[in-house]
Amino acid sequence: DADVTQTPRNRITKTGKRIMLECSQTKGHDRMYWYRQDPGLGLRLIYYSFDVKDINKGEISDGYSVSRQAQAKFSLSLESAIPNQTALYFCATAGLAGGPTYFGPGTRLTVT
Amino acid sequence: AQSVAQPEDQVNVAEGNPLTVKCTYSVSGNPYLFWYVQYPNRGLQFLLKYITGDNLVKGSYGFEAEFNKSQTSFHLKKPSALVSDSALYFCAVRAVRAGFQKLVFGTGTRLLVSP
Repeated sequence: DADVTQTPRNRITKTGKRIMLECSQTKGHDRMYWYRQDPGLGLRLIYYSFDVKDINKGEISDGYSVSRQAQAKFSLSLESAIPNQTALYFCATAGLAGGPTYFGPGTRLTVT
Repeated sequence: AQSVAQPEDQVNVAEGNPLTVKCTYSVSGNPYLFWYVQYPNRGLQFLLKYITGDNLVKGSYGFEAEFNKSQTSFHLKKPSALVSDSALYFCAVRAVRAGFQKLVFGTGTRLLVSP
C-alpha cells in the first residue's frame, strides 16, 4: 500500500464545496485509476489515465474531473460536492497488461 | 461487456473449516480474473490472478482459486480458515477497450470467520 498514497485519508465537506483528492505512486506505472466504493455496489471506475496525455471517463464520471500532473500523480476533483458523492475513494495503478492493480489506502469522503 | 457476479453478500465459516467465496464471470474471449481482499480501513490488496495455464491458482495468505471454464466460475478457496481472514473479498475481471486495461469488480463478499 505504501507504493500508492492518497491524501487526505478522511474529509468532511459541505454541499457545493470544491474538493480535490490527491494520489501519488512510486511504482513507475503508466496506468492510473480512480474508483469509488459504495456498500453493495463494489468498486466503480470514475476516470482512468493511460499516461499524462491520455485521460478517459469511466462508468460514473459525471460530477468529477481529474488531472494527471505527472506520471506519478493523478488527482480527482469534485467541482461542487453533493451528498450522494459520499463514498470511499480509491486510487490505483497498474503496470504490465494482465498484471495486478495496486490500490491506495482510500479516502473516506463525507458530503453533508 | 465483461462482468463478474458474486452471489453471496456474506459467508460465515468456523475457524479451521474450509472456505469458499464464489465468483462467476461473463467475458468475450479469454478471461483475465483476479481476487482482491480489503481489510477494515485498508485499501484493496491483490491475492491472486488467472490468465492462462493451470486451473488451480495459488495466491497470498494460503488462498487459491479454481478456474472452471465450463461453469464460468472462479471461486476463491482456502483449506483452513483463520479468524484473521475476516474481510471483504472482491472478484474482478480485466476489461480491455482501445488497448487499455481496466478492472471490473463484483459487488464484494464479506467473509466472517468465527473462533
